[in-house]
Amino acid sequence: SQQGEEDPQALSIQEGENATMNCSYKTSINNLQWYRQNSGRGLVHLILIRSNEREKHSGRLRVTLDTSKKSSSLLITASRAADTASYFCATVASGYSTLTFGKGTMLLVSP
Amino acid sequence: DAGVIQSPRHEVTEMGQEVTLRCKPISGHDYLFWYRQTMMRGLELLIYFNNNVPIDDSGMPEDRFSAKMPNASFSTLKIQPSEPRDSAVYFCASSFASGKRNEQFFGPGTRLTVL
Repeated sequence: SQQGEEDPQALSIQEGENATMNCSYKTSINNLQWYRQNSGRGLVHLILIRSNEREKHSGRLRVTLDTSKKSSSLLITASRAADTASYFCATVASGYSTLTFGKGTMLLVSP
Repeated sequence: DAGVIQSPRHEVTEMGQEVTLRCKPISGHDYLFWYRQTMMRGLELLIYFNNNVPIDDSGMPEDRFSAKMPNASFSTLKIQPSEPRDSAVYFCASSFASGKRNEQFFGPGTRLTVL
């Protein structure tokens, strides 16, 4: 299985701090995506990074990808209480059309 | 666009009953995915369609599960007969495969409880 594995499983920080979540996977990928899920809601796409990219930014989000280590990280800077959610990485294997999701990281941002 | 629409949002049923979950994808999207989410197993892909045709149903857990997509704007996931272990949140997602971007748009989910 090339299922992504997020680390840590849970993260608790204060508003204004940075939050870093990591994801590891097992096989060659076409791209890697991060999604957010608020409690009781569907997943929302945050950012996509292709296998030939090393870093990508979107607002307060920064994603890195290291294909040699088969790992990715998501950094949320200057966190807010509204960032409280579960964050999932998902991989698209080379030659495939489907996403394989990890178990997610639960982020709690306290005011 | 209203996004992906799922109904019902909550379903409580008794073991042995038939359950039908419904999904309307985003207009123009040519891929549709059905997922199941549980605490133990996380988010699992059950089946996906491309241009209304089922492509891969290897994630469907048993013959009790079936899915159809009669047209580009509607899909159903049916469980017959339902069992307590089918209790989960079921998500439908759609995407437009342009340049293999594969970003998926999720519906709000149907929370199924089988008693």
